[in-house]
Amino acid sequence: EPEVTQTPSHQVTQMGQEVILRCVPISNHLYFYWYRQILGQKVEFLVSFYNNEISEKSEIFDDQFSVERPDGSNFTLKIRSTKLEDSAMYFCASSEPRAGGGEKLFFGSGTQLSVL
Amino acid sequence: LAKTTQPISMDSYEGQEVNITCSHNNIATNDYITWYQQFPSQGPRFIIQGYKTKVTNEVASLFIPADRKSSTLSLPRVSLSDTAVYYCLVGGSGSARQLTFGSGTQLTVLP
Repeated sequence: EPEVTQTPSHQVTQMGQEVILRCVPISNHLYFYWYRQILGQKVEFLVSFYNNEISEKSEIFDDQFSVERPDGSNFTLKIRSTKLEDSAMYFCASSEPRAGGGEKLFFGSGTQLSVL
Repeated sequence: LAKTTQPISMDSYEGQEVNITCSHNNIATNDYITWYQQFPSQGPRFIIQGYKTKVTNEVASLFIPADRKSSTLSLPRVSLSDTAVYYCLVGGSGSARQLTFGSGTQLTVLP
């Protein structure tokens, strides 16, 4: 089965530093997502992206966050000035519409971000 | 956004059939119902999706009543490796709209 690839698997950073989390979605997919999961909590939607622009974003996705698809294959999430509460597992996902309707998201294995 | 409600946890024994029900009273006409499975430290994995009636694939069945205000994921003959969190999501009409995960159901399969 095709895979979404995320790098790095673990990222440790100091509070206030910028981090970029990278994702390679499945090649023929059109829709891209970032989710995060704080340890022991549910998976939270951050942002969706289609046609080179943000489709929807949650309240979590404030001005410190940005997404980019710089080269047609990578999909990145940047956090400009990290805070302690940004520590979480960040998941990238991609999808395409299914024949007959609906949508199937493929998730990467995540980047564990630790902000010290 | 349609909110979903699921039991927080369920226990079962190996070989049994497990049914997990999700309620989604304010589902919209163009919403699909999708179930995902998540193991610790891994991304969610698609299990099954449906719009109405019954859908079956190689791992599960999904039952959706006519009013679509609830759905039931059925896992036949579970094994220890089915221990995971199961999420019911509503939405996903194929337009990169927000898909919201609920709290999920922690299924524990006992030997």
